Amino acid sequence: AQKITQTQPGMFVQEKEAVTLDCTYDTSDQSYGLFWYKQPSSGEMIFLIYQGSYDEQNATEGRYSLNFQKARKSANLVISASQLGDSAMYFCAMREGRSNFGNEKLTFGTGTRLTIIP
Amino acid sequence: SAVISQKPSRDICQRGTSLTIQCQVDSQVTMMFWYRQQPGQSLTLIATANQGSEATYESGFVIDKFPISRPNLTFSTLTVSNMSPEDSSIYLCSVDRARETQYFGPGTRLLVL
Repeated sequence: AQKITQTQPGMFVQEKEAVTLDCTYDTSDQSYGLFWYKQPSSGEMIFLIYQGSYDEQNATEGRYSLNFQKARKSANLVISASQLGDSAMYFCAMREGRSNFGNEKLTFGTGTRLTIIP
Repeated sequence: SAVISQKPSRDICQRGTSLTIQCQVDSQVTMMFWYRQQPGQSLTLIATANQGSEATYESGFVIDKFPISRPNLTFSTLTVSNMSPEDSSIYLCSVDRARETQYFGPGTRLLVL
């Protein structure tokens, strides 16, 4: 079974609109973390936002927020006021394990290609 | 954030040859991770490199094909051996700063002819 599922292979969004990128996950661990990364055409992986399984509040970082619904096992990324520079691949990833210090691998979803239309 | 550099940034290689990719981090880290991203695909972990011990490889990846060195806490190399066109990928190293973050290097784009 897929641990991370991103069901939107591609999305087109008008500039300045908000966009939600979907991510569902599957784990039996109680302690886990969810990450979102942006990959522009240059190929680098840019860390956007993190949500821990025990975090009570949804994570926010500037224009990025994570809509975390634990019971539904979803961790959707919301980008507010989209910009042309937001056009890129977006990957959802999960870290499982009980360590408080990280050092565990990430499992990635298949990604969503976001295109912002002027 | 972590400053991570990789060399080379890209290369074109002939089949049957080997390429060593370097990853340098600006501060000491316990673990370094090596991922592969085949064209149009997601990232897959190749192995985890811990300083002073053998790397731990994921299913489907073997040491003979992807030998890894980790001579100190800021540096690691990944070698892609006896390359074939199927090895054409982006290879990325990453490190943790804390449980909440894992940062990636800029990647090495490899094309095997």
